[in-house]
Amino acid sequence: ETGVTQSPTHLIKTRGQQVTLRCSSQSGHNTVSWYQQALGQGPQFIFQYYREEENGRGNFPPRFSGLQFPNYSSELNVNALELDDSALYLCASSLTGGLAGVRQYFGPGTRLTVL
Amino acid sequence: DAKTTQPNSMESNEEEPVHLPCNHSTISGTDYIHWYRQLPSQGPEYVIHGLTSNVNNRMASLAIAEDRKSSTLILHRATLRDAAVYYCIQWGSARQLTFGSGTQLTVLP
Repeated sequence: ETGVTQSPTHLIKTRGQQVTLRCSSQSGHNTVSWYQQALGQGPQFIFQYYREEENGRGNFPPRFSGLQFPNYSSELNVNALELDDSALYLCASSLTGGLAGVRQYFGPGTRLTVL
Repeated sequence: DAKTTQPNSMESNEEEPVHLPCNHSTISGTDYIHWYRQLPSQGPEYVIHGLTSNVNNRMASLAIAEDRKSSTLILHRATLRDAAVYYCIQWGSARQLTFGSGTQLTVLP
């Protein structure tokens, strides 16, 4: 089975631009969660999608938005980029059925740098 | 979900056991203890989880105190490949993992 993949690996943008990050979930997984990890800190939850619907959101502004597609792959969109958005963005998939406490499988992340 | 407390860093010698402690004094009866680790330049990976009883898998053992206010992740023979940040997570009703700062484990050859 294939694991979680993310693209691109690295990305450089300038302040004010928009960015789209992509995630392919592990085969059979119907839930995708996105996390932001600033340098030297633990990952912070952005939001989760379950069967194409947003299923929970962390403390992030509306300019962070997402999509989940029928094949359960997902996108994270960030508008009006700010310098503080520079971070590693992680995608995690799971077969939760909407439940808590189910093992999550992480991708390698996308390193976003905002100049 | 409440935050757990872990030491910022620990060192171990290669081939020796490592005991990584975690305090979770506000844990409720239905909260599980999960451990994930993050190797350099990678996403976090699942290590082990448990509720009340001690747990073993091929990667590690998890010892949970009788009052469940603390737990210890045990790596039986540390290798250089085990150098990573280890996160102890108290996971109850929230849909997402709530990470703290974790413990940076350094394994010395």
